[in-house]
Amino acid sequence: ETGVTQTPRHLVMGMTNKKSLKCEQHLGHNAMYWYKQSAKKPLELMFVYNFKEQTENNSVPSRFSPECPNSSHLFLHLHTLQPEDSALYLCASSQDGGREGETQYFGPGTRLLVL
Amino acid sequence: AQSVTQLDSHVSVSEGTPVLLRCNYSSSYSPSLFWYVQHPNKGLQLLLKYTSAATLVKGINGFEAEFKKSETSFHLTKPSAHMSDAAEYFCVVSPLGGMNTGFQKLVFGTGTRLLVSP
Repeated sequence: ETGVTQTPRHLVMGMTNKKSLKCEQHLGHNAMYWYKQSAKKPLELMFVYNFKEQTENNSVPSRFSPECPNSSHLFLHLHTLQPEDSALYLCASSQDGGREGETQYFGPGTRLLVL
Repeated sequence: AQSVTQLDSHVSVSEGTPVLLRCNYSSSYSPSLFWYVQHPNKGLQLLLKYTSAATLVKGINGFEAEFKKSETSFHLTKPSAHMSDAAEYFCVVSPLGGMNTGFQKLVFGTGTRLLVSP
């Protein structure tokens, strides 16, 4: 395992539900990321947190709301999602976020299905 | 702007034969380059990375990749495929020495699915 855990691993929700995805990293890193992986498309960066501060919001709709209470935990709050939001949501972490050539370590992902 | 092209969406090999997964990149600056592997229902795992040191990079599980600046390529190879190598492989570029965006942005290719037959 990579030291990055995500829960739940699978989630089915209706368009009117509210749910949250959780990510935890045990690597002592300072930067955390949310990515969306859809079929036949490259990974899309959604949000970046560096030292708990959001440094990137990659034009993500407001129905996705991130939260980073500390450097080890990252949440993605979901509400009124659309079927096209069904995808694999991956969390990643890296040591400092801004260093060139830095490796990102990924969690196993949450497979989300919106009905 | 940086971009990555993985030339094959699927590659099929027989167990014990060589593997070649192709990747070409475009970058305004000297890039860092990575290969990640994703097994079914798993997250992405780093196979290897290039960061302007030796052009031939060795990774885990017998994989290696060669950075060729003149060809803007970073192809992934393995001499002998194993059944456990069946997975999706992603080539990734990140700018090195470019504008400081405050964080390192990775640009992913669309992936190559490696199929290994007995």
